[in-house]
Amino acid sequence: DTEVTQTPKHLVMGMTNKKSLKCEQHMGHRAMYWYKQKAKKPPELMFVYSYEKLSINESVPSRFSPECPNSSLLNLHLHALQPEDSALYLCASSHAGYVQVPETQYFGPGTRLLVL
Amino acid sequence: GNSVTQMEGPVTLSEEAFLTINCTYTATGYPSLFWYVQYPGEGLQLLLKATKADDKGSNKGFEATYRKETTSFHLEKGSVQVSDSAVYFCALLNSGGSNYKLTFGKGTLLTVNP
Repeated sequence: DTEVTQTPKHLVMGMTNKKSLKCEQHMGHRAMYWYKQKAKKPPELMFVYSYEKLSINESVPSRFSPECPNSSLLNLHLHALQPEDSALYLCASSHAGYVQVPETQYFGPGTRLLVL
Repeated sequence: GNSVTQMEGPVTLSEEAFLTINCTYTATGYPSLFWYVQYPGEGLQLLLKATKADDKGSNKGFEATYRKETTSFHLEKGSVQVSDSAVYFCALLNSGGSNYKLTFGKGTLLTVNP
């Protein structure tokens, strides 16, 4: 089973709202990722969690706040977003391997976010 | 640094035609190579992968061979179907300190007409 699930599938929010995106996997993966994908572009990495600890933040604005409450769940909390933050937000997971070993990332279906 | 270059398309084919999408890469060390597919309105699905030189990845009739001498990982399918219409991304993942960060090509939009 290589399934990563994400909720909600679609989200519309105003610039003053607070919302959260959720991601779940049951593959025993200990690395989880958030990506942002704009239309007609490849995904861009935002955050990496390894063993439930934030290991990488790709200079993402603080209006995006990730959280990893346990090894299966990953959240992305959204607050005071801008219209340019409208995009497809993808979650991915992988084994957290040794530094020398690249591990395959498996993606979820994404949450399509529209900020008004 | 790492980079991936793939033909940008769009590529339009008739059903049962032969498909090739070219992908070349630049990387230090020994990267793993991937093809991901994104169907309209969906997330990315892993299509196939290869982790070392001369490996061939295959899935659903698609194939790609890791060619270190030409730094290439071209995607091929002998007979495409309408259901193959999607965006295809070539990507690499390197070993070492940046082994978390997928480097993607820009994507190739494939449209297959009946």
